Amino acid sequence: GQNIDQPTEMTATEGAIVQINCTYQTSGFNGLFWYQQHAGEAPTFLSYNVLDGLEEKGRFSSFLSRSKGYSYLLLKELQMKDSASYLCALMDSNYQLIWGAGTKLIIKP
Amino acid sequence: GAVVSQHPSWVICKSGTSVKIECRSLDFQATTMFWYRQFPKQSLMLMATSNEGSKATYEQGVEKDKFLINHASLTLSTLTVTSAHPEDSSFYICSAKTMAGDTEAFFGQGTRLTVV
Repeated sequence: GQNIDQPTEMTATEGAIVQINCTYQTSGFNGLFWYQQHAGEAPTFLSYNVLDGLEEKGRFSSFLSRSKGYSYLLLKELQMKDSASYLCALMDSNYQLIWGAGTKLIIKP
Repeated sequence: GAVVSQHPSWVICKSGTSVKIECRSLDFQATTMFWYRQFPKQSLMLMATSNEGSKATYEQGVEKDKFLINHASLTLSTLTVTSAHPEDSSFYICSAKTMAGDTEAFFGQGTRLTVV
């Protein structure tokens, strides 16, 4: 079967750096996604990793280790607008997304 | 990126009535559309996968006679919640892909359904 784990909630300070971890178990793998979701809104795409390593995109970076079943999303220079839920999603062998429960990130001034 | 439009954004209906939610791909042809339901503080739960011109594939535990899905064209899929009850109140989100191997799915804005 498939299983995705990520912390329920994290708190960080404006201007700081935060790393949100995601671990997974799966029999079929076609990539790992990170989405941002503000309350009451649909998710918005942040990143996609299918190969091991770090993908950097502005203030956001995402890392994947397939052998360890591990990914993280790194957010730098945190802004108040970054307060949201961050969803880790696994694409399985049928190209369907399996979603984690999401990590609620609270940014404090 | 591609645009998926979902309508309505929110709806309030009486218990026992039916509600239709539309999901349109505006600038691409969506061969596959997904319907999700999300309860407060919970993850997205896949309800069904629909491919244009064929019957939807429902996830275990989702009543196909209650949640009617129609994917009649490459740009439109609809979800009809029939005989709605308060426990059906949720956030419903659609997403669309151009082909099965696509890596990115594009999301609609979501529909907040409240059944009173």
